[in-house]
Amino acid sequence: GQNIDQPTEMTATEGAIVQINCTYQTSGFNGLFWYQQHAGEAPTFLSYNVLDGLEEKGRFSSFLSRSKGYSYLLLKELQMKDSASYLCAVGSGNMLTFGGGTRLMVKP
Amino acid sequence: DAGVTQSPTHLIKTRGQHVTLRCSPISGHKSVSWYQQVLGQGPQFIFQYYEKEERGRGNFPDRFSARQFPNYSSELNVNALLLGDSALYLCASSLWGLASGSYNEQFFGPGTRLTVL
Repeated sequence: GQNIDQPTEMTATEGAIVQINCTYQTSGFNGLFWYQQHAGEAPTFLSYNVLDGLEEKGRFSSFLSRSKGYSYLLLKELQMKDSASYLCAVGSGNMLTFGGGTRLMVKP
Repeated sequence: DAGVTQSPTHLIKTRGQHVTLRCSPISGHKSVSWYQQVLGQGPQFIFQYYEKEERGRGNFPDRFSARQFPNYSSELNVNALLLGDSALYLCASSLWGLASGSYNEQFFGPGTRLTVL
């Protein structure tokens, strides 16, 4: 079966750094995606990892360890507009399985 | 360039009715995937179509069906609606099928909000 776990909620302060963890157990692996979803809107792509290591893209970085079934999304210099849900998703075969999402609240 | 479009935006149905949701992918994209997102949860994979063939199916009952047309647009059909089918239905398009094994970003449409009374 497919199982993806991530924390339900996190709170952080504007200007700080936050790390959102994701663990997964899937049959097959094509890559791991992170999406951002603001309330009432569609998910938007943030990052993609298929090899172990860190991928950096501006204020956002994503890490993958395939042997541990583990990924994290790192958000630096948090801004109020970063308040959203962050979705971890794993591609396997012809499916894309999402975790339940982590709702991040950024406070002043 | 137009992104992924979905219609209708909102829909209200009653139990037992049938619904058809429509999706037009980004021009040049050959794969369309459908997801159901219940409030407060992550999207759940329903179907993937690539080159007009079903390539993947999630754990949904046979009341859910879909098809992809020669122009790569797609329809999702749900029969015998239940209260639990109330959700945001998302369509996503990508260049290749999900099993391509390479970078294959999915672009999501705005969704159709279905309410079953």
